[in-house]
Amino acid sequence: KAGVTQTPRYLIKTRGQQVTLSCSPISGHRSVSWYQQTPGQGLQFLFEYFSETQRNKGNFPGRFSGRQFSNSRSEMNVSTLELGDSALYLCASSLLASGRGEQYFGPGTRLTVT
Amino acid sequence: AQTVTQSQPEMSVQEAETVTLSCTYDTSESDYYLFWYKQPPSRQMILVIRQEAYKQQNATENRFSVNFQKAAKSFSLKISDSQLGDAAMYFCAYRVGGGGADGLTFGKGTHLIIQP
Repeated sequence: KAGVTQTPRYLIKTRGQQVTLSCSPISGHRSVSWYQQTPGQGLQFLFEYFSETQRNKGNFPGRFSGRQFSNSRSEMNVSTLELGDSALYLCASSLLASGRGEQYFGPGTRLTVT
Repeated sequence: AQTVTQSQPEMSVQEAETVTLSCTYDTSESDYYLFWYKQPPSRQMILVIRQEAYKQQNATENRFSVNFQKAAKSFSLKISDSQLGDAAMYFCAYRVGGGGADGLTFGKGTHLIIQP
């Protein structure tokens, strides 16, 4: 089975722009979660989608949003980029939306905001 | 709110030796899951091992095993016969069980160095 894929792998954007990141889960997985990883804050949960519905959201401003499509692929969008949004964005997929589901991570998208 | 604490920012071990990484967590939940993830320099997060809180038996995966002390809220990872490929950041993570679970809560990580 193919693993979780994320595109693009690297991205450079300018402050004030917006960006869209994509995640394709493992085949058969219906849950997709997004995490932000920075040196200062570590790994933080952004949101989780299951069957096209956002189930949970972390403590991030409304500039961070996401969606999930009927094929379980997910996108996250960050509007009005700030320098502090520079981070590694990780996507994880799971069979289950509950805590019982093991989460498998993609390689991440490295976003640099200048 | 749940918290996960990894008190060792960095650990070093000789190849073929055994090393134990520490993790403590704080929760008022009774149904939860604990995980160890490995993040090598490639930044790909790899699931190493998982423990269900309701299971008393400690999880084991080949050279990796955990010491789960529920009352003490402790969840340490033991790596036996350390190999050069084990060098990575190791993250302890927690997730409450049930359908309304938030995402994983991670510790700050332990950087494991393997000395040849």
